[in-house]
Amino acid sequence: DAGITQSPRHKVTETGTPVTLRCHQTENHRYMYWYRQDPGHGLRLIHYSYGVKDTDKGEVSDGYSVSRSKTEDFLLTLESATSSQTSVYFCAISSAGTGNQPQHFGDGTRLSIL
Amino acid sequence: GEDVEQSLFLSVREGDSSVINCTYTDSSSTYLYWYKQEPGAGLQLLTYIFSNMDMKQDQRLTVLLNKKDKHLSLRIADTQTGDSAIYFCAERNTGGFKTIFGAGTRLFVKA
Repeated sequence: DAGITQSPRHKVTETGTPVTLRCHQTENHRYMYWYRQDPGHGLRLIHYSYGVKDTDKGEVSDGYSVSRSKTEDFLLTLESATSSQTSVYFCAISSAGTGNQPQHFGDGTRLSIL
Repeated sequence: GEDVEQSLFLSVREGDSSVINCTYTDSSSTYLYWYKQEPGAGLQLLTYIFSNMDMKQDQRLTVLLNKKDKHLSLRIADTQTGDSAIYFCAERNTGGFKTIFGAGTRLFVKA
């Protein structure tokens, strides 16, 4: 299994509070991704990174920011959490952005915003 | 835009074959993947196929690709209770980093 650790695994917080989720990889892969998974929607890309300090938006980036100061860590921040951000968040990594380099996933963080 | 569609549920008896279907819209899709998700876990890559292939077999798994109809299927032979999970179809085109996922098919295996 790819060495991907997400923390925390579960979190419950209140509307309006800031939340940061962490993804840590030991594979030295260049690309990292944050997805959210909601019933009926599959996985939707929030943000991705193609290198240290290099990030870009995905299809559902509003209300989220990311940072990547080291190859191994990719942080997802909800500056002011809303109930619509209750979801399961998955981090993924890949060694290349193109070609047949499939993404490998962490075990997810279940986030509940009350 | 790009889209990947799957049926939401499939129920089979233990020992039977399961066939999970997927359709996609992007004609430039080059790589097509099947992932498995068990409860409380992330997505695990099961298998993949290149667009220049029609079929790929890997133990109990057979992937069939019909490029003309943009249809992909995953057949699981001798389905076991441990195969109960959500299966995601995903596609990616050449030169693109973005992987598009379907909503997932929940497979129920009855003993």
